[in-house]
Amino acid sequence: AQKVTQAQTEISVVEKEDVTLDCVYETRDTTYYLFWYKQPPSGELVFLIRRNSFDEQNEISGRYSWNFQKSTSSFNFTITASQVVDSAVYFCALIVNYGGSQGNLIFGKGTKLSVKP
Amino acid sequence: GAVVSQHPSWVICKSGTSVKIECRSLDFQATTMFWYRQFPKQSLMLMATSNEGSKATYEQGVEKDKFLINHASLTLSTLTVTSAHPEDSSFYICSARDSTQYYNSPLHFGNGTRLTVT
Repeated sequence: AQKVTQAQTEISVVEKEDVTLDCVYETRDTTYYLFWYKQPPSGELVFLIRRNSFDEQNEISGRYSWNFQKSTSSFNFTITASQVVDSAVYFCALIVNYGGSQGNLIFGKGTKLSVKP
Repeated sequence: GAVVSQHPSWVICKSGTSVKIECRSLDFQATTMFWYRQFPKQSLMLMATSNEGSKATYEQGVEKDKFLINHASLTLSTLTVTSAHPEDSSFYICSARDSTQYYNSPLHFGNGTRLTVT
C-alpha cells in the first residue's frame, strides 16, 4: 500500500528560525515521485517541488531545501530563516507508477507551520 | 503558468438541494482531473478521477449517485453534490494535469470550494 506520513501536526517557530518538516513514505514501487505542496490560508495548493525515486540529490531553492533519503524513506523539507509569509499547511505527497494509476497524488495529513514575528 | 479556476469559492445551501461546482483549466487542456475533499485540519482525500469523455472513477466509499462528476470537455469538469446534507459540508478541491504532460507531472489545483449545508 502507498502511504505518506507527516508526524508533525503543527509546528510553531519564531521568525528567522530554521524549521524542518518531516515526511516518511511507503511504497513497494521502485519508481515513484515525491512532492511538496504549500496550502496558505487562502486554500489553494501551491506546488513546491517534485523528486523522482532515482534522484537522491538534495535540492536547494532559496530558503527552501529538501533532503531525500531512500534508505529511510524520507523526504524532509527545511525552511531556513523562516518568515511570517511561510505560515501555511505543508503537504508531502506521492505518485506511484503502477498499472491503473492515473497519477493521483497520495497526500500526507499535512503540517501546519506558524511563523510568529 | 497553468491555472485552474474553481467556482464558486464558497456556497451555502439548504439540506436536500443540489450544488454544482465547476473546475476549469484556463490555459491548458486536461484529459484527467481529480476531485479531492478536505475536512478541517485533515488531509486531502481523493474522491474521484474524472476523465474527459468517459465515466469518472470513484474511490472506495464515495457515493457515485451523490457526487456526480461530468467531464464533458478537455477544460471543464463539474462535481454536483446531490441532495446535500450537513455532513457533506466540506472543502472541495479540484486539480488538473496538462494533457501534454506525463502522469508524474505536478497537478495544478483550483482554489477550492467551501460548501456549507444548513
